[in-house]
Amino acid sequence: DVKVTQSSRYLVKRTGEKVFLECVQDMDHENMFWYRQDPGLGLRLIYFSYDVKMKEKGDIPEGYSVSREKKERFSLILESASTNQTSMYLCASSSDRGGTDTQYFGPGTRLTVL
Amino acid sequence: QKEVEQNSGPLSVPEGAIASLNCTYSDRVSQSFFWYRQYSGKSPELIMSIYSNGDKEDGRFTAQLNKASQYVSLLIRDSQPSDSATYLCAVRGGGFKTIFGAGTRLFVKA
Repeated sequence: DVKVTQSSRYLVKRTGEKVFLECVQDMDHENMFWYRQDPGLGLRLIYFSYDVKMKEKGDIPEGYSVSREKKERFSLILESASTNQTSMYLCASSSDRGGTDTQYFGPGTRLTVL
Repeated sequence: QKEVEQNSGPLSVPEGAIASLNCTYSDRVSQSFFWYRQYSGKSPELIMSIYSNGDKEDGRFTAQLNKASQYVSLLIRDSQPSDSATYLCAVRGGGFKTIFGAGTRLFVKA
């Protein structure tokens, strides 16, 4: 089974802090994604990566950056956390091999910025 | 217009009934279509994927795709209280991005 893990389930940070959210997958997937999920807005793509050291902006990249130094690990960085970044953050991975592109999600990190 | 639209619900059906969830999308070149189920406080999990026009059945679930109408649906037969969740429709176009709808909340009454 595909396993996607995220470093924390719950996180509380203060405004202005630098925040790191880490995601690891164990299925050798080439694609990895970071989303945030807010009530009524669904899942919104922040950044994605289709290969090591590659990254592409999603729909709401402002205030975020990412790092993918190894294939299995994709990190989301909030350079200076703000209260409007309080949200549920979901990491996902997928592969285009085998004709399927299903995304597999991690358990999520609920971030609160005070 | 949102790229992937779903009725937010809540959709309420009695136990044993058929639940019908609908989704429309705007990108005509979309290739891959997915239904995810998300329980409260949990992450989404895949129920069905469909790539060509017509119906695809898996147990109590049937996905239906009509590319001409840009419409995809999910039918849940013999609905159970454990099916109560939010159902996310997701659509992937020619690139790497998959667009998710905001989800439909389903309640199955025992």
